[in-house]
Amino acid sequence: EPEVTQTPSHQVTQMGQEVILRCVPISNHLYFYWYRQILGQKVEFLVSFYNNEISEKSEIFDDQFSVERPDGSNFTLKIRSTKLEDSAMYFCASSSGTGGRTTSFGQGTRLTVV
Amino acid sequence: GENVEQHPSTLSVQEGDSAVIKCTYSDSASNYFPWYKQELGKRPQLIIDIRSNVGEKKDQRIAVTLNKTAKHFSLHITETQPEDSAVYFCAASIGSGNTGKLIFGQGTTLQVKP
Repeated sequence: EPEVTQTPSHQVTQMGQEVILRCVPISNHLYFYWYRQILGQKVEFLVSFYNNEISEKSEIFDDQFSVERPDGSNFTLKIRSTKLEDSAMYFCASSSGTGGRTTSFGQGTRLTVV
Repeated sequence: GENVEQHPSTLSVQEGDSAVIKCTYSDSASNYFPWYKQELGKRPQLIIDIRSNVGEKKDQRIAVTLNKTAKHFSLHITETQPEDSAVYFCAASIGSGNTGKLIFGQGTTLQVKP
């Protein structure tokens, strides 16, 4: 069964540095997402991406964040000038785009800002 | 705004008993309701979903019910087994014609005692 894959599985970065989280969505999916889960809390929507542009973003997704689909397979989340509170598990997800879309999640990247 | 409330936050049952987790949602336009199981440190895994044109759906030991009028939906697990122990998240989404983002509940930690 096809899966969403993410790299790296764990990223440690110093406060103020930039990080790029990478994802390969399921190949025939059209909608791509980033979600965040702070330890012990619920999964929170960050951004959705369709047709090479952001279709919706949450309040969390401010100017510090950006997404890109640099080629036909990768989908990246860039976090500039990281803060301690950015420490969380970041999940990439994708869906096929049909009504009532089934969303598949990647295994996550644990970001630790020190 | 969009919100999903989930109860209880923790649930402990004896092996073989049933477990019920309940969610309510605020956005009446929501029409897709998935349930995810998340084991410690792993990705959320879709276990069952229901669309708003259906009142109940069953898959072996798992069932989901939906009451659109009351904006409630519930997960029922029968004959629980120790491997059912995990965190369960409900979510709500507005399907086709929108981004398909998922709004998650706070999660229920289910412990099945052998």
